[in-house]
Amino acid sequence: DGGITQSPKYLFRKEGQNVTLSCEQNLNHDAMYWYRQDPGQGLRLIYYSQIVNDFQKGDIAEGYSVSREKKESFPLTVTSAQKNPTAFYLCASSLQSDNQPQHFGDGTRLSIL
Amino acid sequence: GESVGLHLPTLSVQEGDNSIINCAYSNSASDYFIWYKQESGKGPQFIIDIRSNMDKRQGQRVTVLLNKTVKHLSLQIAATQPGDSAVYFCAENGDDKIIFGKGTRLHILP
Repeated sequence: DGGITQSPKYLFRKEGQNVTLSCEQNLNHDAMYWYRQDPGQGLRLIYYSQIVNDFQKGDIAEGYSVSREKKESFPLTVTSAQKNPTAFYLCASSLQSDNQPQHFGDGTRLSIL
Repeated sequence: GESVGLHLPTLSVQEGDNSIINCAYSNSASDYFIWYKQESGKGPQFIIDIRSNMDKRQGQRVTVLLNKTVKHLSLQIAATQPGDSAVYFCAENGDDKIIFGKGTRLHILP
């Protein structure tokens, strides 16, 4: 079945450590997105990529980095510069158009040890 | 409706009744709108979408209504079931990205 796979489902980070969240899709979508979701909040855009080897900052990019070396993959690194990383992270993908829905993975919950 | 605070608005509905979830959107230039359902611990799931050249669109047990005059979107769920319990988000296509509302929690009463 086609879809988006995020891993791991739960992740723990020590102070000063970088961690990388994986996102893979086999929907042949050009565009991919990373969102952060805090309790009782909507989705806030971290980074997005509309094509391989290109990506743009979203609303809350500070403390995060991404790469888009392959169409299927859009990993997110939460760096030590992100002082409040505890959140639910969601990856999404869509066809390359303003009028297409985004399809989401089931998220990674990141916590600080 | 959508909340700007830390607490999600909650709609409690008796099982079997119809549910209406409302959303006010911000950009009068938005021409595409989506409703998502998010169950606990999972990612948002696409329910239904509507383009601005339409006022109403129906799916299986769901209807979306769009009022462009007052920038209002609603999701109607017919014969609400326990499996409908979730947080529902509206989304609009902004200038260069999708903008999500903060969500409404639908609670089903037995």
